Amino acid sequence: EIVMTQSPVTLSVSPGERATLSCRASQSVNSNLAWYQHKPGQAPRLLIYGASTRATGIPARFSGSGSGTEFTLTISSLQSEDFAVYYCQHYNTWPGYTFGQGTKLEIK
Amino acid sequence: QVQLQESGPGLVKPSGTLSLTCAVSGGSVVSRNWWGWIRQAPGKGLEWIGEIFHSGSTTNYNPSLESRLSISADKSKNHIFLTLRSVTAADTAVYYCARVRGVGFDYYMDVWGKGTMVIVSS
Repeated sequence: EIVMTQSPVTLSVSPGERATLSCRASQSVNSNLAWYQHKPGQAPRLLIYGASTRATGIPARFSGSGSGTEFTLTISSLQSEDFAVYYCQHYNTWPGYTFGQGTKLEIK
Repeated sequence: QVQLQESGPGLVKPSGTLSLTCAVSGGSVVSRNWWGWIRQAPGKGLEWIGEIFHSGSTTNYNPSLESRLSISADKSKNHIFLTLRSVTAADTAVYYCARVRGVGFDYYMDVWGKGTMVIVSS
């Protein structure tokens, strides 16, 4: 079973600054990685799939990179609406879909 | 624009059965998609529960839930169903349905419902 580990658990950043979130897979997942944004009381929102492809309607300040076991989600200039919990996710035939434990992005 | 709406009883007794419905609008459950269920327990992260292919002929389940889980679809109503038996307090969570897209091993959930809270308590 592939384990997805996100770091840091909590990230404090000021509005307008850059945020860098990491996701590490316990073994190679090639580029098969997605990122989601989740705010309290709302549906999770797909940001990135295929490690680096922005989903429909996602602003250009969100970018994904990486392959193999190391992945990064970068938010270039934080807006107030970007403070949320972010999850990475990978799919494999077994045991299915695996999420990281999440990174909480909070206002500094 | 596909939209998903989960519904079900907010309270289930321990050892009982949790039954949820996901209503699909703006699209069809028989379109060539997988439809999934995901949950989030209080203070925890996202956990994949299972999925069903458009025709209802194929399902995949989280191995940790498989013995208690059934996912089905009603094409006439455009609904997806989740049934979880023998529930405990550990099944207390917000339950989401989602449309799954992708190819090869690059699968992801691109449309989500707003979720429905289920509390397991006597």
